[in-house]
This record gives sequence, structure tokens and C-alpha cells, in this order.
Amino acid sequence: QQQVKQSPQSLIVQKGGISIINCAYENTAFDYFPWYQQFPGKGPALLIAIRPDVSEKKEGRFTISFNKSAKQFSLHIMDSQPGDSATYFCAARRDSGGGADGLTFGKGTHLIIQP
Amino acid sequence: DAGVTQSPTHLIKTRGQHVTLRCSPISGHKSVSWYQQVLGQGPQFIFQYYEKEERGRGNFPDRFSARQFPNYSSELNVNALLLGDSALYLCASRKRGAGELFFGEGSRLTVL
Repeated sequence: QQQVKQSPQSLIVQKGGISIINCAYENTAFDYFPWYQQFPGKGPALLIAIRPDVSEKKEGRFTISFNKSAKQFSLHIMDSQPGDSATYFCAARRDSGGGADGLTFGKGTHLIIQP
Repeated sequence: DAGVTQSPTHLIKTRGQHVTLRCSPISGHKSVSWYQQVLGQGPQFIFQYYEKEERGRGNFPDRFSARQFPNYSSELNVNALLLGDSALYLCASRKRGAGELFFGEGSRLTVL
């Protein structure tokens, strides 16, 4: 049973546009929601993370929107640049258990920013 | 400061063999986790160690084992390798049980 569903699988955006990636989760015990960026041949790099007590978090061009009632969260990349072309993963974890649980990842979104 | 370091970066094994992968966490981080990433998929949680004790385990068979040393470095061992074990094995560290998780570049294992 996939606990974190991510969409779309792939996304093409023009330079300067807004990239939007969506995730939905099933486990209501999840209370930590990070987004990771991964380039080919590299490990995932943490971009931004949110907890359920806020509905939005912004860091530079990256924004997470969180809807607790709908059990959904999304990543918005403003003014998308060719260097943003990578695979993006959403993830979720139950931190209240002392952090013993691992992250549950979505299947990833392959983002291409066209010049 | 150095990030999470893993070795080896690439290795090729044959079915039935055993493999040991190594990880050094970021200085000051006491928690180490291991993830398996099959091509085209998101990482899957294997183990978490904190203060040298296993604190969490994902849905992987007993062929997978790990340990954490007094200096907080860690080893992942996989016995009786199967073709399906071919993947990128990622190590990640964080300061305590919860909090931000930082990944290494991974060890790419190919099983023939």
C-alpha cells in the first residue's frame, strides 16, 4: 500500500514559469513533510520541509502548501530555471514517535525546465 | 564541514555473494539511516540507528543487517544477494532521532 502518492510523474515547464508538484498521504500520524531534490548520480538533497501546524512555508523560490484536512501538500517552484531540472521527491514521517520511523517517499517527479 | 560519506561508490557482485557498505555521518550527527533506491523509484527505508542501537526497521528481509559503531559510522550488510538487490544504497544522518535528514551520494550496487 503506497502511503504517499506523488503527481505528476513528469513535468515540463518553460523557464520563468511556476512548477507545481502534488502529494497526498494516507497515514494521519505523519507530522513531518520534506521535499528532496535529486540530480542524476547524486543523493537526495533536502529542499524544504513543513509540519502540520502551518499551512504554508516559503524559502526563496520554493514554497510548500499544506492542507491537513485533505491530507495533501504541494511544492511550488517560482521563476523556474534550467538548473532546477531534476527529480523531486515528497516524503512524510511520524516524528512524534521519537523519529524511529523512516521517511516514506513518493515515486518522484522528473522536472524539465526548458530554456 | 564534510557531508555524509559513503563507500564504495560503485560495486558489482554476483548472486549469492555478500556485500558490506560503509557510511560516515556528518560530524555531530548521532543517527544514521539506510535507504534502498531502485532505479526510477523513491528511496525505501531499511534501518535507523541512533546512539548505536537499532531504533527503526523497514520491510526488508533478514538478509539485510546493519550496525553503528562508537564513532557513529555505520555498516550495511546484505547476505545471499539477489538480482533484485541491485540499487542505489543511501545513507543519511541527523543530529537526533527526529529532525532534518541529510543523504550521502550513495553506493551503487549491481548484482549479476
